Amino acid sequence: DTEVTQTPKHLVMGMTNKKSLKCEQHMGHRAMYWYKQKAKKPPELMFVYSYEKLSINESVPSRFSPECPNSSLLNLHLHALQPEDSALYLCASSQAEGQTYGYTFGSGTRLTVV
Amino acid sequence: GIQVEQSPPDLILQEGANSTLRCNFSDSVNNLQWFHQNPWGQLINLFYIPSGTKQNGRLSATTVATERYSLLYISSSQTTDSGVYFCAVEPYTNAGKSTFGDGTTLTVKP
Repeated sequence: DTEVTQTPKHLVMGMTNKKSLKCEQHMGHRAMYWYKQKAKKPPELMFVYSYEKLSINESVPSRFSPECPNSSLLNLHLHALQPEDSALYLCASSQAEGQTYGYTFGSGTRLTVV
Repeated sequence: GIQVEQSPPDLILQEGANSTLRCNFSDSVNNLQWFHQNPWGQLINLFYIPSGTKQNGRLSATTVATERYSLLYISSSQTTDSGVYFCAVEPYTNAGKSTFGDGTTLTVKP
């Protein structure tokens, strides 16, 4: 078990569905991240939420939208996804963005879009 | 953006052997981390090491920031060391946004 909890662990959704991925940490970390990882590839940064400020990777399509209800939760809302969006979605947290601290990753959500 | 190159891409070892993995990066960094990803996808942070040398059991890492590279040493390898090792760097010019290298896939045979 890790200190960053992601739910669900697996998700299969249709292209017309709306779903959400949840990420929670209770380590008092101030920065949280969403990464997307395709098979045999490295993780790619999607979003950073730090000190109540959201930073977006400009290449991420608008069908992905993050939400941070409080400092320990970071959700990822999914809408009208494409089959190529099937991937492992990883959430991470760190004590602070831009400072010298390491990341703690959750175990990920394996998403399949059909 | 910053370029991160890891070598070798693949490495096969016999149990008990030692190995060195390398990470080269193209710009000055705030932060450099080494991760191990197991076959189930879990990423474990091995080291946070923007400069200097650290050791943790059979693993050690060295980063020479002025020359823009980092090395991860694995000694007396075990089958449980198998998996993908990633280097991730956070550039000064893009704080808070770490970029991963393509990884080194390590297979340790019994």
